Amino acid sequence: DTGVSQNPRHKITKRGQNVTFRCDPISEHNRLYWYRQTLGQGPEFLTYFQNEAQLEKSRLLSDRFSAERPKGSFSTLEIQRTEQGDSAMYLCASSLGGSGLKETQYFGPGTRLLVL
Amino acid sequence: GNSVTQMEGPVTLSEEAFLTINCTYTATGYPSLFWYVQYPGEGLQLLLKATKADDKGSNKGFEATYRKETTSFHLEKGSVQVSDSAVYFCAPHSGGSNYKLTFGKGTLLTVNP
Repeated sequence: DTGVSQNPRHKITKRGQNVTFRCDPISEHNRLYWYRQTLGQGPEFLTYFQNEAQLEKSRLLSDRFSAERPKGSFSTLEIQRTEQGDSAMYLCASSLGGSGLKETQYFGPGTRLLVL
Repeated sequence: GNSVTQMEGPVTLSEEAFLTINCTYTATGYPSLFWYVQYPGEGLQLLLKATKADDKGSNKGFEATYRKETTSFHLEKGSVQVSDSAVYFCAPHSGGSNYKLTFGKGTLLTVNP
């Protein structure tokens, strides 16, 4: 069990550029979540996948944001035309799927985005 | 939707002091409850969890009991260490079909030697 991994760990970009983040969940975990955390706040839910299907998107996820999980394994989160307000830590989590303890989410180290 | 109210920080304690971080929540149904810890510059690590009323989660000397009647899940530790300095988040999951977590603002704990 190698845990959830995220790449890159840090990203600095200029306003208006596109960025893409990758998340590799724990193998055999069916569910994958993306959260966003701004300074001094708790993480906020962005979107959720069950295998390759994106089943829910938060209102926080504007049309500049898109997430995919093409083969039900790794996921990517793309932000187009970045804005300074997008600066945050983007966290990925995965879980086995099911109920009770199987629904425990395990988080990756996050990708910290800074938009200049 | 769910909401979480956590004890506001920062909390500063001396090593070996007793720790309590209060957490109350509102949720539909009976969600599983979690405490996560975040060390500086890192992602969230699961600290402990409880899946039903009166369950006690415990790990690394930390404990929390699922109190359905008061919708609370307070975190306690009898003797804190400097290495416990971190931000602590209480989070119920939403139940239903997506189990997304709802986080409080977090409580910053600083333990001094």
